Order: sequence, then structure tokens, then C-alpha cells
Amino acid sequence: DGGITQSPKYLFRKEGQNVTLSCEQNLNHDAMYWYRQDPGQGLRLIYYSQIVNDFQKGDIAEGYSVSREKKESFPLTVTSAQKNPTAFYLCASNLAGYTGELFFGEGSRLTVL
Amino acid sequence: KNEVEQSPQNLTAQEGEFITINCSYSVGISALHWLQQHPGGGIVSLFMLSSGKKKHGRLIATINIQEKHSSLHITASHPRDSAVYICAESGGSNYKLTFGKGTLLTVNP
Repeated sequence: DGGITQSPKYLFRKEGQNVTLSCEQNLNHDAMYWYRQDPGQGLRLIYYSQIVNDFQKGDIAEGYSVSREKKESFPLTVTSAQKNPTAFYLCASNLAGYTGELFFGEGSRLTVL
Repeated sequence: KNEVEQSPQNLTAQEGEFITINCSYSVGISALHWLQQHPGGGIVSLFMLSSGKKKHGRLIATINIQEKHSSLHITASHPRDSAVYICAESGGSNYKLTFGKGTLLTVNP
């Protein structure tokens, strides 16, 4: 079955540590996105990528980094520079250049201890 | 700046009731999305529409471009419909969606 797989589902981190969240899709989508969800707020865009080896900052990119070396993979690194990293992170994808349906992963919940 | 307002924030219904969730947005759009988020956190796309009305099973989504307003209706609601429903609009780009804060729906048996 086609879909998006995020891992890990739960992650605990000590302050000062970088962590990487994995996002893999087998939908052959060109565009991939990372969103952050906090209680009482709408999803906010961290980074997006329209094509391999290219990505753009979203609204809240500070303290995060991404890479897009393969079409199916778009990992997100939460660096120690991110001041408030505890949140729920969602990866999504859709067909690039088309205002199309978004497909989401199950999310990764990061807690900083 | 695009803003998306949803109402109500919380909605409790009895099984079988007709449900309506509303979404208003502030600027012109190219597409409006309705999403469903279950307690586990995963999100499923329900509808994407730019005009008129779409129906899938017991779910109906409508949009009025002139009034900048969309509604999601659930007929014959069921406890398994309990979830957070989120609307999002593209404002001309699918790379820059603006999301509402969501409506928490609880359907009691």
C-alpha cells in the first residue's frame, strides 16, 4: 500500500541534542512538507521541497534543517538551536505543481526533557 | 495575511445527528482542504474543493467563493466520526497552506 511513513512515533531528547525525524513516501510524489502542530494552534509549515536536492524555508524554519537527497525521503533535523522543540511533527506529500490532495504521515511526537 | 477561522471549536453530538462545521477565510483561494485528525494524530484528507460541493459517503463539503466560507456536513453522525476536523486554504499556492485551529467533534452513542 502506498503511503507516508514517519519514525519514530515518540522521541525524547535532552536539551542540547540534535534529533532527526524520518519521513519516507512511496507515492512517487515530488512535493514533501514538514509541519509542526502545537496545542490550540493550526499546523505551521517548517520546510517544503518541490523536487530532489531543493527545499525552501516555511514560516518557522529557525532551528530546523532538512535534506532531500532522494525523491522518497525528506528527513527533518531538530537542532539544539530550536528554542521550544517539544511538539507534534507531521510530514506530508502531494504532486508538485498541482493543487492536489495532501497525504500525511502518522506524526512524530518529540518531547525535550 | 491569510487567516482561517473555524467554528465551533468544540462540538458534541448524539449519534445520528446532522453535523455542520464552518470555515471562513480572509483572502481569495485556489483550493480549500478539509482534513480529519484522529486521536492518534494521523491526518487524512477528506476533501479538496475550489467551488461548489463535493460528497463522499456521509460527508458533504460546500464552498461559497463570494462569501469566503466553506462548510463540512456529516449526516447520520456516528461515534467513529469523533475527531478533529481541520480546514486549510491555499491562497493560490499549495506550498503555503494556512490551517485553521480545528474543530473537536465528539459523537456520543
